[in-house]
Amino acid sequence: QVQLVQSGAEIKKPGASVRVSCKASGFTFNTYDIIWVRQAPGQGLEWVGLMSPHSGNTGFALKFQGRVTLTRDTSLTTAYMELSRLKSEDTAVYFCAREAFYGSGNGMDVWGQGTTVTVSS
Amino acid sequence: SYELSQPPSVSVSPGQTASITCSGDRLGNKYASWYQHKPGQSPVLVIHHDSQRPSGIPERFSGSNSGNTATLTISGTQAVDEADYYCQAWDSSTGVFGAGTKVTVL
Repeated sequence: QVQLVQSGAEIKKPGASVRVSCKASGFTFNTYDIIWVRQAPGQGLEWVGLMSPHSGNTGFALKFQGRVTLTRDTSLTTAYMELSRLKSEDTAVYFCAREAFYGSGNGMDVWGQGTTVTVSS
Repeated sequence: SYELSQPPSVSVSPGQTASITCSGDRLGNKYASWYQHKPGQSPVLVIHHDSQRPSGIPERFSGSNSGNTATLTISGTQAVDEADYYCQAWDSSTGVFGAGTKVTVL
């Protein structure tokens, strides 16, 4: 069935980097954009960035620019988010989601199960 | 940067109508999507293209978007609808979420 399956929970120290994967199945990977969203404890949803698997184009929220890298391996139908120079404020659940042609109003209709990233010394 | 504003909370009695607003500069010129999010679960898309329901979303969910305000309406609210609701729009190639509205079914 159509699904996005994310990698498992991570515990990292401040200053380190973390990479979260998002494996797509049940649909044509290249025809959907992959969006990354996070939710810190007690906070709302926060948009992190997007990648278009077909073109490799990326976009990021201003606060993450320079710290987040989005990549994909089309042969594995997997998208990756790497966040560097981690701070305690990066502790959150990170979600990947798909949207057909971001900005066209289609909405993020399939979501991964979420990956908990804990940043603690 | 573009911002979307939502009321922090809305309370509704079972069977009544809940309306959640989302305000942003000329939001009516963009498409608004709405997501339902329950604790420990992944968000669920309930409205796209301002007013369209994805397959499997009950008819009691409806949406509109005009001027500076998008609205999500839940008619005949049920206990199962208790959740946080987020509006979302795109500002160029950047996505923006509202801060979320907690819907409590009393």
